[in-house]
Amino acid sequence: GESVGLHLPTLSVQEGDNSIINCAYSNSASDYFIWYKQESGKGPQFIIDIRSNMDKRQGQRVTVLLNKTVKHLSLQIAATQPGDSAVYFCAERAPGRRALTFGSGTRLQVQP
Amino acid sequence: EAGVAQSPRYKIIEKRQSVAFWCNPISGHATLYWYQQILGQGPKLLIQFQNNGVVDDSQLPKDRFSAERLKGVDSTLKIQPAKLEDSAVYLCASSLRLAGVNTDTQYFGPGTRLTVL
Repeated sequence: GESVGLHLPTLSVQEGDNSIINCAYSNSASDYFIWYKQESGKGPQFIIDIRSNMDKRQGQRVTVLLNKTVKHLSLQIAATQPGDSAVYFCAERAPGRRALTFGSGTRLQVQP
Repeated sequence: EAGVAQSPRYKIIEKRQSVAFWCNPISGHATLYWYQQILGQGPKLLIQFQNNGVVDDSQLPKDRFSAERLKGVDSTLKIQPAKLEDSAVYLCASSLRLAGVNTDTQYFGPGTRLTVL
């Protein structure tokens, strides 16, 4: 399949380490945020979301942190596995809209 | 549960030709989206449907792009005529609209990769 994000920033980690992927969002009025994972040749896959009235949310091996003061979102992946290798996108949604505005993405490479 | 289906998966055409993409959303999902993803970038919304009505088409290049969702289920996206810069992956997504909920998850299909020569 085709490659997603040939010129994206890349984060390279060792298997078993923790990964932190960062995202700066654009709209201070956005009230909902999502992280998607996209593997080559596939559509984006939902990972975790967070509403603007929260600053942290945890899932299975993943944690999203939201800092509205500086319009920053991060995704933490614990004990990174080779299957986590993909491009990760953050997305935001403005109040009253359902469509998402995506960031530019980060490629995560997990070294065995 | 079956996911969002799209076809074809790949399409190669010459500039000025026409092309159409098809999407079948998850059963029961009222909201359907078409996104364009240029290589190296995040998806960008082209059009959003709620049932068979257009909610947002502000970023759709209407001189060449059109989309419809006649029966509120399947949707087609058409480009006529295509330009070189239309080369991209076209993603369809759907979500289950719940009254009073602004956090319904969008589920994406595998996309159609269009190459315009």
